[in-house]
Order: sequence, then C-alpha cells, then structure tokens
Amino acid sequence: ILNVEQSPQSLHVQEGDSTNFTCSFPSSNFYALHWYRWETAKSPEALFVMTLNGDEKKKGRISATLNTKEGYSYLYIKGSQPEDSATYLCAANSGGSNYKLTFGKGTLLTVNP
Amino acid sequence: DTAVSQTPKYLVTQMGNDKSIKCEQNLGHDTMYWYKQDSKKFLKIMFSYNNKELIINETVPNRFSPKSPDKAHLNLHINSLELGDSAVYFCASSQDPPTGAYNEQFFGPGTRLTVL
Repeated sequence: ILNVEQSPQSLHVQEGDSTNFTCSFPSSNFYALHWYRWETAKSPEALFVMTLNGDEKKKGRISATLNTKEGYSYLYIKGSQPEDSATYLCAANSGGSNYKLTFGKGTLLTVNP
Repeated sequence: DTAVSQTPKYLVTQMGNDKSIKCEQNLGHDTMYWYKQDSKKFLKIMFSYNNKELIINETVPNRFSPKSPDKAHLNLHINSLELGDSAVYFCASSQDPPTGAYNEQFFGPGTRLTVL
C-alpha cells in the first residue's frame, strides 16, 4: 500500500505571509509527483507534475521542489493572498503502480485578509 | 467549453436502486479515471481506462461497473445502491501513455450521490 502523507493538515496565515507544505511518499519505483489545488465546491486543478529528482517548478507565486531519493516534495507560496485559500493535494505515482495516483489528505490553507 | 463534464451533478436515490453517472472529456485524452471522495474528503482511485481498456480496478465492490464506449467517455454504473455509496464521485482524464501517470489530470465537477 502506497502512503502519501501531507503536513500540516491545516494552516492559517495572514495575507502577505509566505508559507510551505510538505508531501512525503515512498521513494522506491518513483514515477511522478503531482500537486493539485482544490477550492471549495470546485474540482481539483493541477499545479505541477514533477518527475526528476531535484525538479523545481514555478507558477506565479507558487513553486515546488522534488527530492525523489528521500521521498518528499515541498510546495511554497510566496506572499499569500486570500484567493490562495484552498486545499493543496499532492499525489504520488510510485511503488510500481503505473497509472495509479495515490493522493494525500491535503493541506487546507486559509489566508486571512 | 467544459473540458471534463459529468452528469448528473446531484443524484438522490433510494437504497437498492441502480444508477449511472456519465463522464465525457473533449480534450482528446487517452486515459480516464473515476475517483471517490470519501467522508473524510479523501480522493481514492476506483477505475482507470486507457483507450477504452481497463487499466486500474481497485478494490471496489462489483456492484460498480465502469463502461467506456469510446475514449472520450467513461460512465459509471452502480447496482443495488447502498447507504455507504453516498459520496462525491469525480471523473478525470489525462494524456498519459500506458507506462504511467506522468501528466496532469483534469477533473470534472463531481457528482454528489446521496443514497437514502
């Protein structure tokens, strides 16, 4: 069974703060690591897909890094805005499961104005 | 145009009934998925099809049967509905090769199923 763990479970920050979350996953037979942003009453939207150790990706104020050898990824948000409030999901495709993405439980971010 | 659409958006039905949820994607993707969001809001894979062929079949009761008439559609039929089937079901698609989930998945809006 593939375990994908995310921490913290929830986070409250003030507008303008920078923040980061962690995703850990089994490093064996790694294929890809996905990050999704999930706003309430909407469907998950992809932020990044990373496959190579040391990958860093950026989209506006959001960036992510990947360490496949130790099995973790960080998601960073610089200068948080209220519209960043959402659940951030990571999902790993590893352990020889090919297509199957195993999702973590997410980190719920609330940005207070 | 909606990339991944699901119908219906809400479905309320009695225990024991048979119901279907439809999913269509207009992205030209080869792979489609069904996920179940459980009571703890956890997304779990149920099925995956690549070019109409079943790739993933998780430990799902055989009352759940996916059907892919073509690669743009993946429908979910549920027989003899039970109270525990109440959940939000998400369809997704991606342009993935048969070797793995390397590409982002595009999710539909979800279908909230309530079994009374």
